[in-house]
Amino acid sequence: QKEVEQNSGPLSVPEGAIASLNCTYSDRGSQSFFWYRQYSGKSPELIMSIYSNGDKEDGRFTAQLNKASQYVSLLIRDSQPSDSATYLCAVNIHQTGANNLFFGTGTRLTVIP
Amino acid sequence: DVKVTQSSRYLVKRTGEKVFLECVQDMDHENMFWYRQDPGLGLRLIYFSYDVKMKEKGDIPEGYSVSREKKERFSLILESASTNQTSMYLCASSSTRLSTDTQYFGPGTRLTVL
Repeated sequence: QKEVEQNSGPLSVPEGAIASLNCTYSDRGSQSFFWYRQYSGKSPELIMSIYSNGDKEDGRFTAQLNKASQYVSLLIRDSQPSDSATYLCAVNIHQTGANNLFFGTGTRLTVIP
Repeated sequence: DVKVTQSSRYLVKRTGEKVFLECVQDMDHENMFWYRQDPGLGLRLIYFSYDVKMKEKGDIPEGYSVSREKKERFSLILESASTNQTSMYLCASSSTRLSTDTQYFGPGTRLTVL
């Protein structure tokens, strides 16, 4: 069964703090993991991808992957009000002819000035 | 930059109407996808296509059909719109069938069926 689970939130953090977003998945065959950010009324945009166990850093964002625990997380350092959005975790699944993504329902983050 | 465009941002239709949602990508991507997004349910895959004239059902294909006559264009068709198809519809594309490929989304079409 394909499942990607996220805490729906809302998660509120003060400006300048670290926001920690978590995601678990059920398909042990998954190989690729993505974090998308979605502002209200807008479409998702990719912010991070990770394929290997460990950490991957890009500016203020760090993605962490633990395949043994089937867990992926996103840390946002020095959170800014502009980071307030819904963050979607996506995991690849292999279906006929393509590698598709299965999305969690998202975690809503609010950064309080 | 990858660009995925959708024909309408907002659409209002009546129950029973045939509805066409168009999606065009300009990056020669092989794969195209149609999702719907509803509060509390997240993004759900309706149909996808990995080649011209090829289509595969996603998780919720009932009440929908698709057409891909050209590589850059993927159309979603609601044969007879119903109120439970009121939703945000998102088109996406990706370059190849590799698991590492990113999906790029269009701006979305918010469809209301009255």
